[in-house]
Amino acid sequence: DAGITQSPRHKVTETGTPVTLRCHQTENHRYMYWYRQDPGHGLRLIHYSYGVKDTDKGEVSDGYSVSRSKTEDFLLTLESATSSQTSVYFCAISESDRGGSYEQYFGPGTRLTVT
Amino acid sequence: QKEVEQDPGPLSVPEGAIVSLNCTYSNSAFQYFMWYRQYSRKGPELLMYTYSSGNKEDGRFTAQVDKSSKYISLFIRDSQPSDSATYLCAMSDSSYKLIFGSGTRLLVRP
Repeated sequence: DAGITQSPRHKVTETGTPVTLRCHQTENHRYMYWYRQDPGHGLRLIHYSYGVKDTDKGEVSDGYSVSRSKTEDFLLTLESATSSQTSVYFCAISESDRGGSYEQYFGPGTRLTVT
Repeated sequence: QKEVEQDPGPLSVPEGAIVSLNCTYSNSAFQYFMWYRQYSRKGPELLMYTYSSGNKEDGRFTAQVDKSSKYISLFIRDSQPSDSATYLCAMSDSSYKLIFGSGTRLLVRP
């Protein structure tokens, strides 16, 4: 999984509680991404980061926030979890925008259930 | 209408068959095209990456891009049971954001 770990790998939480998912990379890649994967929707981008403290919204960012204080770590926070956020969350990394390197490499995923 | 359309399958073929997987898209700004393979309960694994139109071959895998028709394909020759997985197409303009198809499930029967 290209030196990417995600924690926790599984989590069950209750509606209304805050949840933080962590993505850690050992590749020193500049770009990091959070996606969610749901049946019939494929992978959808939540937020991404193009450097330390530099983040931007993706397609489905409502209800999520992110932080990146170190190159290797990208955190995804659900401020107040809802059942609609039950999903599998994937972190991805890519190396650089220079030279047209747009390939993204994915972590193993976190399966989140909100009850 | 989704920006990227992909038949969900499942596509069932006998071992040794040639498999053709396809995606269509609507955004003419897409220039970068990728195919990912995803095994059950695993993260997507990058298989092929192509820029603009043309073909790219890597072992048993061939990726084709036809920008005039907004159509991309992945061919798998001599398919094996280990190729059974979900195949996701993904594409991007120059914004580093990937747009994914919903994936096609492939089953290769021994």
